Amino acid sequence: EPEVTQTPSHQVTQMGQEVILRCVPISNHLYFYWYRQILGQKVEFLVSFYNNEISEKSEIFDDQFSVERPDGSNFTLKIRSTKLEDSAMYFCASSDIAGGQETQYFGPGTRLLVL
Amino acid sequence: RKEVEQDPGPFNVPEGATVAFNCTYSNSASQSFFWYRQDCRKEPKLLMSVYSSGNEDGRFTAQLNRASQYISLLIRDSKLSDSATYLCVVTNSGNFNKFYFGSGTKLNVKP
Repeated sequence: EPEVTQTPSHQVTQMGQEVILRCVPISNHLYFYWYRQILGQKVEFLVSFYNNEISEKSEIFDDQFSVERPDGSNFTLKIRSTKLEDSAMYFCASSDIAGGQETQYFGPGTRLLVL
Repeated sequence: RKEVEQDPGPFNVPEGATVAFNCTYSNSASQSFFWYRQDCRKEPKLLMSVYSSGNEDGRFTAQLNRASQYISLLIRDSKLSDSATYLCVVTNSGNFNKFYFGSGTKLNVKP
């Protein structure tokens, strides 16, 4: 069964450093997403991406964040100048259009710890 | 007001019990509805989509009540493996890409 993959599974970084989180969406999917989940809190939408551009972003997704699809398979989230409060689990997801009830499939996540 | 609200639980039930969760949503124009389950420190996994007419998948039944703006999940004959956090997810009209998650309802099924 096809699945979304993410690397690394864990990332520890110093405050102020830049991190890049990587995702390989399901191959025939057209929409890609990043979500985050701070420990003990709900899953929060960050950004959606379609046709090589951002289609929607939340208020969390400010200038510190950027996304890119550098080739035909990878989808990345870059966090510049990380802050302590960026520590969270970051989930990538992908979906295709399926009869209007669009299901998103999530990767296993990258646990980011900012020290 | 939160987009999606759930009772955090935990719901502690014995094996074989029937348990039901509700979830309320604030936007009357909400369009798509899902139940996901999340195991501790894992990713959300789709349990089932929720259709207007209600739908069933084995031991799981989902219902949608648009008038009262809530969805429900019923689990019959609970198994130990059903222990997880159940996440209610809603999308809004014209913006079906953006998932709004509830905080989840924790279920513990005991032997």
